[in-house]
Amino acid sequence: GAVVSQHPSRVICKSGTSVKIECRSLDFQATTMFWYRQFPKQSLMLMATSNEGSKATYEQGVEKDKFLINHASLTLSTLTVTSAHPEDSSFYICSARGGQSYEQYFGPGTRLTVT
Amino acid sequence: QKEVEQNSGPLSVPEGAIASLNCTYSDRGSQSFFWYRQYSGKSPELIMSIYSNGDKEDGRFTAQLNKASQYVSLLIRDSQPSDSATYLCAVTSWGTDSNYQLIWGAGTKLIIKP
Repeated sequence: GAVVSQHPSRVICKSGTSVKIECRSLDFQATTMFWYRQFPKQSLMLMATSNEGSKATYEQGVEKDKFLINHASLTLSTLTVTSAHPEDSSFYICSARGGQSYEQYFGPGTRLTVT
Repeated sequence: QKEVEQNSGPLSVPEGAIASLNCTYSDRGSQSFFWYRQYSGKSPELIMSIYSNGDKEDGRFTAQLNKASQYVSLLIRDSQPSDSATYLCAVTSWGTDSNYQLIWGAGTKLIIKP
C-alpha cells in the first residue's frame, strides 16, 4: 500500500514555457500533499504543503505565482512551474500523507530540465 | 530554528557488518521520527518509523529513539552492498500556521564495501 505516482518522470522544456507535474496517491486518500525540490548532492527542500480543497502553504522564499499548486481532490495534486528558467532545473518530488498518519510516502520524482 | 543533524559521511562499512546511523534533533515537541533511504537519482523511500522510546526492529533494520537525549539512530545488520545509499532522518514538527511538516536531516551517505 501507500503508493504515490508522479508524471512525467522527465521533462525538457524551453525557457519561458510552463510545465505541469501531476502527483497521485493510488491506494489511499491523501489529506495532505507536499512538494519538494532537490538539487544535485543537496538535501530535500520543502516548497509547499497543500491540503485538499485549500490553498497551498508556501515555504519562505518560494514564489507562489511561479509555482502554482492545485490539490483539487484527495488523490491528485499538481505543480505548475510557470515561465520556467534554467535555474528551475531540478528534481521535483511530491509526497503524500493520509488520515492521521504522519508518515509521508514519496512519488518517484520528476526531473525538469529547462533549456 | 528547528534542526535535524546527521553526519554527512560517507560512512564506509564492510559487507556483513552492522551499520550505525545517527541523528539528533532540536525540537523537544517532536513526536514522530522516520528514516528514509534514498538511492542516487531516486526519491526517498520510507524504511522505518518510530514513535516511542526504545528499539523497534523490522528485519535487518532497528530504529532506536531516546527522547530525553533527542537522539534517534538506525542500525542495519548484515549490511549488503544494496544498502549503499543516503539515509535521511526526518522528524515531525508543527509550523507557525499549525501545519504539520517533516524537518529533514541532510542525510548520511552509507557505502557498503564487498
